[in-house]
Amino acid sequence: DGGITQSPKYLFRKEGQNVTLSCEQNLNHDAMYWYRQDPGQGLRLIYYSQIVNDFQKGDIAEGYSVSREKKESFPLTVTSAQKNPTAFYLCASSTSGYYNEQFFGPGTRLTVL
Amino acid sequence: AQSVAQPEDQVNVAEGNPLTVKCTYSVSGNPYLFWYVQYPNRGLQFLLKYITGDNLVKGSYGFEAEFNKSQTSFHLKKPSALVSDSALYFCAVRLKDTGRRALTFGSGTRLQVQP
Repeated sequence: DGGITQSPKYLFRKEGQNVTLSCEQNLNHDAMYWYRQDPGQGLRLIYYSQIVNDFQKGDIAEGYSVSREKKESFPLTVTSAQKNPTAFYLCASSTSGYYNEQFFGPGTRLTVL
Repeated sequence: AQSVAQPEDQVNVAEGNPLTVKCTYSVSGNPYLFWYVQYPNRGLQFLLKYITGDNLVKGSYGFEAEFNKSQTSFHLKKPSALVSDSALYFCAVRLKDTGRRALTFGSGTRLQVQP
């Protein structure tokens, strides 16, 4: 899983709560990404950031928020507006080039109780 | 819009036999193509990528993939499968000439190698 850490590994949320998933990288990568993985659907992009203090919505950004105040960190908040948040969340990072591969963290499994 | 299709949910192969995991893509420009592998409850690991040049790309763990522009395919292959190759495999695409640097992933193919 390279130099990317995600915490916690498992997270349980009650309905109506906001929760924040942590993602930290020590690879000195400019770009960072959040994906959601559901069974049989592959990975879908939630948000991405190509540089500090800048981020863009991905394909399924509704109900999520992010910040990028430091190069090493890209936390994801799952808000109460996200109606079906139970999923496996993966953070990734890469260097700036278009053809550079992404390195993934080990993931956080979020379950809504 | 760019998309990736992995037409097989699961591929079963006997250990020692060659394996192929299929991937087709749909983009309006020239693509960068990637293969990743995921073991249970883990993140994705990079296997190989096609940027330009030779259509046959060699990657980690003895895997290779062939880029076929006319068929818009990028199938993953290995000459002799191992039980330890059993995992979930994802194909992904990124357009060369776009500001979007994130990847678009296929739905994944589960590879089961039987002893």
